[in-house]
Amino acid sequence: QVQLLESGGGVVQPGGSLRLSCAASGFTFKTYGMHWVRQAPGKGLEWVAFVRKDGNLKYYTDSVKGRLTISRDNSKNMVYLQVNSLRPEDTAVYYCARCSGISWGFFETWGQGTSVTVSS
Amino acid sequence: EIVMTQSPATLSVSPGERATLSCRASQSISNKLVWYQQKPGQAPRFLIYDASTRATGIPARFSGSGSGTDFTLTISSLQSEDLAVYYCQQFDDWPLTFGGGTKVEIK
Repeated sequence: QVQLLESGGGVVQPGGSLRLSCAASGFTFKTYGMHWVRQAPGKGLEWVAFVRKDGNLKYYTDSVKGRLTISRDNSKNMVYLQVNSLRPEDTAVYYCARCSGISWGFFETWGQGTSVTVSS
Repeated sequence: EIVMTQSPATLSVSPGERATLSCRASQSISNKLVWYQQKPGQAPRFLIYDASTRATGIPARFSGSGSGTDFTLTISSLQSEDLAVYYCQQFDDWPLTFGGGTKVEIK
């Protein structure tokens, strides 16, 4: 079945960096766009970034532009989120999510998330 | 940015009763609206897309309606397993945006 497994979270100091990974299985990865969505503790959902199936088109929410980079490796069925210049407000669970087959714009399947804590 | 507003913040409903959740967009989004369910400690689950089409495997007691700026998610007969936070999300334009969520409690 379709599975997404995130990894790479942890505790990092302000100004630090992390690379989050998402391993996809159970579907033809190269034919789907992928997203990252985050959720701060006790808060709602926030879409963060999107990468098209070929990796050549990317969108970001404004609050992370210049600090976060989404990428993918279709040969490895992996999607990544490089997070730089981390701030306390980046503390969240980061979910990897697959687009639906109908539209880039919503999330048909979600991983279980990886937790990022930014604290000194 | 399209702002999504959900109401009420918390809804307390008895088992077997109807639950009605609202979502409003700051501008018209046609029917480009999705609903998700997030149970405690779990990842969100995709429920409804295009405002009213149930995703595969979603029980018929969940239904969506609306277009333009005003949308509704209805749970026709609330079950105990429906305890969750429900989020709406627009996909009419980037950035994709979510509402703040409605927490459904079992009375």
